[in-house]
Amino acid sequence: ETGVTQTPRHLVMGMTNKKSLKCEQHLGHNAMYWYKQSAKKPLELMFVYNFKEQTENNSVPSRFSPECPNSSHLFLHLHTLQPEDSALYLCASSQDPPYGRTDTQYFGPGTRLTVL
Amino acid sequence: DQQVKQNSPSLSVQEGRISILNCDYTNSMFDYFLWYKKYPAEGPTFLISISSIKDKNEDGRFTVFLNKSAKHLSLHIVPSQPGDSAVYFCAARIRSGGSNYKLTFGKGTLLTVNP
Repeated sequence: ETGVTQTPRHLVMGMTNKKSLKCEQHLGHNAMYWYKQSAKKPLELMFVYNFKEQTENNSVPSRFSPECPNSSHLFLHLHTLQPEDSALYLCASSQDPPYGRTDTQYFGPGTRLTVL
Repeated sequence: DQQVKQNSPSLSVQEGRISILNCDYTNSMFDYFLWYKKYPAEGPTFLISISSIKDKNEDGRFTVFLNKSAKHLSLHIVPSQPGDSAVYFCAARIRSGGSNYKLTFGKGTLLTVNP
């Protein structure tokens, strides 16, 4: 148990559906991240939020829309996805400088997404 | 273009022997290197890290070595145990603007420790 929870753990959706992934961290961290892990590929950073402000958008298509209402919660809203978006979506949090070190990111268990 | 490379997708080792996992990088601006371990159905967990100004960091059975001139790091596990069987990710940190940093990950190496 890393202190980062993600729901749902598994999600199957059609290309016309709209769904949301949720992440919650119970560690008092100030930074939260979304990563995508596709088969046989490295973890790809998607978005970074620091103190609820988006500080990184790694050229992610607009069909992925993040939301960070507070430092403990992070959402990823999904709409009109493609089959190639099927992957494991991981959320992470860290205590960023000047209060901590970004190297120690704590990951949730991930949401396994399948787009039909 | 992959800046962090783990060229061995898998490694199999006998229990009690040494496991050596390798990682190469291309960006000399990386200032911190980390190893994460991932079991199936779980997220990656932080294992050990090393600053770019050091060449070795040890924590129990785990030691990370950094060779900056070769842009190479390795993780040594001695002695290896069956519970060490997992996917190991190498990651490197770089400043992405202001006081923000980001991590770049390799593809991972699946370590299997046989009893």
